[in-house]
Order: sequence, then C-alpha cells, then structure tokens
Amino acid sequence: ETGVTQTPRHLVMGMTNKKSLKCEQHLGHNAMYWYKQSAKKPLELMFVYSLEERVENNSVPSRFSPECPNSSHLFLHLHTLQPEDSALYLCASSRSGSFGDEQFFGPGTRLTVL
Amino acid sequence: GQQVMQIPQYQHVQEGEDFTTYCNSSTTLSNIQWYKQRPGGHPVFLIQLVKSGEVKKQKRLTFQFGEAKKNSSLHITATQTTDVGTYFCAGISGGGADGLTFGKGTHLIIQP
Repeated sequence: ETGVTQTPRHLVMGMTNKKSLKCEQHLGHNAMYWYKQSAKKPLELMFVYSLEERVENNSVPSRFSPECPNSSHLFLHLHTLQPEDSALYLCASSRSGSFGDEQFFGPGTRLTVL
Repeated sequence: GQQVMQIPQYQHVQEGEDFTTYCNSSTTLSNIQWYKQRPGGHPVFLIQLVKSGEVKKQKRLTFQFGEAKKNSSLHITATQTTDVGTYFCAGISGGGADGLTFGKGTHLIIQP
C-alpha cells in the first residue's frame, strides 16, 4: 500500500452505535489530520496530530474522539452520533505539523448516520 | 475567524474554453494552497504560493497570488475533460493557529 489509506470506505451506523474509522499513512510523515467534508460546506479541520500529540481541536463535539497511537496510524472513534454528522471523513498527512506543507489525503470514509 | 470565499461555485464550460476560479480571504494570508478533487475522489495538492504577486504555471494551469496576499486565482487554458472536478483554495493566516482554511470550492463541469 502506498500513500494514505482509510478503512472502512463506507459506514452506516445508528445513533446509538459505536464505531471507529482508521487511517494509515505510508509516507513517513510526522503529522496527521482528520477533516469533515459535508455537502455545500467547506472542508472542516477536526483534529491535528503532530508527532503523535494533538495540537489542534477545532471545537469538535465530544462524540468524536481521536486517537493517534503512532505517527503512522490515526483513529476516529464515533459514538452517539447525530444524522447531521453524516459526511465524508478525510484523513490527511503531511511531512511536519506546519500547515505550509503539502497535505496528502486518503480516499475518505463515507459515513451515514441513521 | 478567518474566512476564505471562492467563486464561482459552479462553472460550466465547453471543452476547449478557458476557466478561472477566484479565492478571497478576509485576512492577509501567509500562503495559499490549491487542491483538486475529482468526482468521487479526494483532494489532491496542486501547488502552494507564498510570495506577494507570485505567479506559477503547471502546463495549462496558471496560479496567481495577489499583491496584498488576500486573494488568489487559478486559470486553466483550453480545458479538457480530464480537468473536471472541484478546485479548492486553502489559506493560512498569521501563525497558522486556525490551520488551513478551505474555500467551498468551484465545481468545473465540462461539456464536450
């Protein structure tokens, strides 16, 4: 595998379910990101990890919980989501935590909350 | 907070026509990046502009950064069907405390 991979690619869950999204980067980068992409809204930065430490949390609801066990893996744990949380969740990585670096995006997880 | 506006939201062109999308920021940017997302795909980095008044070219694509570093544009000459997709600008201001702020993107639709 090369680049940034994400699993699952599609996920349907009820509001009471607990699920996790997984992201893995094979680029040797030190920073990883979670973005939310909704229809008719700009790409929204959710979380940033640089060298496995969270450096950004843009006021994301606590029903989204990130985890970064090492510089290659990033998880997004989901629980008691709302239908408005349905969106494409994109993971990205960059060489460093500087936003001046090019970001490499994964294919995304299409999440539907019923 | 920082806002990045992008126009137009949608652009229909005939194949072979030119296309331009514009990006305007509410604050002065330290740099700006452009990404392309094909239908059903994910954003792919195209270029970064850093200097005031900078112009960069990639084949048929020309990117400009305004003198005041508050606006940018992407111009495609003689569009081809492979240019279809959504073009996003993303800016960073100040120390980057807000991270990359993306515009809503311009959807380019090409009619053969």
